Amino acid sequence: QKEVEQDPGPLSVPEGAIVSLNCTYSNSAFQYFMWYRQYSRKGPELLMYTYSSGNKEDGRFTAQVDKSSKYISLFIRDSQPSDSATYLCAILSGYALNFGKGTSLLVTP
Amino acid sequence: DVKVTQSSRYLVKRTGEKVFLECVQDMDHENMFWYRQDPGLGLRLIYFSYDVKMKEKGDIPEGYSVSREKKERFSLILESASTNQTSMYLCASTSRTSGAYEQYFGPGTRLTVT
Repeated sequence: QKEVEQDPGPLSVPEGAIVSLNCTYSNSAFQYFMWYRQYSRKGPELLMYTYSSGNKEDGRFTAQVDKSSKYISLFIRDSQPSDSATYLCAILSGYALNFGKGTSLLVTP
Repeated sequence: DVKVTQSSRYLVKRTGEKVFLECVQDMDHENMFWYRQDPGLGLRLIYFSYDVKMKEKGDIPEGYSVSREKKERFSLILESASTNQTSMYLCASTSRTSGAYEQYFGPGTRLTVT
């Protein structure tokens, strides 16, 4: 079983919609949970990270971790066409990151 | 501005050739990583290095080797390229002290092996 599972999509939503992206993970010892965003033909960039459980908000983006169910989520409010990208969840394991497969998101005007 | 650069954006090689992919970072980071990214498989760690001349195998090291002679440079070597190594290769670096969760990625090298 892969340590991080993520539905690859694709996900297509109209501009202004609320987007929910989700991952599950297998090891309850993980403490750092990240969301990376990757635009086409670019490397991934860190969008948000959360330590342990709870919510973290940054503008239109909210990252949420539920350690009891081993579930991590990213919510995007008032989605914009510029949010169209692949979103990758990741967990920190030692020195390295374990990534989900990424969810491709398209926000249509 | 932090920067990770990779030697080529696109590379075409023949089966059996020895291939070198170079990565340079200008942030004085201790840790450097090589990933490959494939549709449906996501990002998979090939090798990483936490110091000069140190290396650790990732999830898929077979068919690859690495070299880190200087802190800023991390090379990925395909000893004898095969068609199943056609992929996007991404290099990343991170500071051991300021947050291993934030990896800085290069733009990637799209390698085609024919």
